[in-house]
Amino acid sequence: GAVVSQHPSRVICKSGTSVKIECRSLDFQATTMFWYRQFPKQSLMLMATSNEGSKATYEQGVEKDKFLINHASLTLSTLTVTSAHPEDSSFYICSARGTGEVSPLHFGNGTRLTVT
Amino acid sequence: GQNIDQPTEMTATEGAIVQINCTYQTSGFNGLFWYQQHAGEAPTFLSYNVLDGLEEKGRFSSFLSRSKGYSYLLLKELQMKDSASYLCAVKDSNYQLIWGAGTKLIIKP
Repeated sequence: GAVVSQHPSRVICKSGTSVKIECRSLDFQATTMFWYRQFPKQSLMLMATSNEGSKATYEQGVEKDKFLINHASLTLSTLTVTSAHPEDSSFYICSARGTGEVSPLHFGNGTRLTVT
Repeated sequence: GQNIDQPTEMTATEGAIVQINCTYQTSGFNGLFWYQQHAGEAPTFLSYNVLDGLEEKGRFSSFLSRSKGYSYLLLKELQMKDSASYLCAVKDSNYQLIWGAGTKLIIKP
């Protein structure tokens, strides 16, 4: 089945530094990738939709200058958390959709970010 | 606004059957998904319904009634490993996924 690889799985960084999270579709081309954030015991919250070769579409309330998304190829999207703060500590999950609007989403394994 | 409702938590016994309900009010409908999420892990895809009726896949079945804005996920022959959160998500008219908050299922021996 379709596989999405997300790296790193865990990262601890100091406040003020930047962290990059990679999301790769391993055996299919993903024209659209999604970035989610999940706080403990809460639902997935969509942060942004990333389309290959164009700017990401951010959800209301998500700072595009803080959460930089790059989708430079059909198999790779990156999320960079810039100038991280402790409140950015969360579980970040990417997902990718293959061709066709009704394809299910395939999720990466998530990245647990802890900002100290 | 758009809304997905699921029970917050359910408890069931190993070997039994449990039904997790999901009701939705969305702007348009282009399919309903169920995902399973174990603690600390990403969700995994379970089922997809776009037409009314029951879709069966092994121990798991999913039902949809578009006129009622209602779906359920049925889990049979429950196993301890089924303890997880179950997320209902609906694709609206813009093909955006609207997520429910998830139902935490606790399986007891």
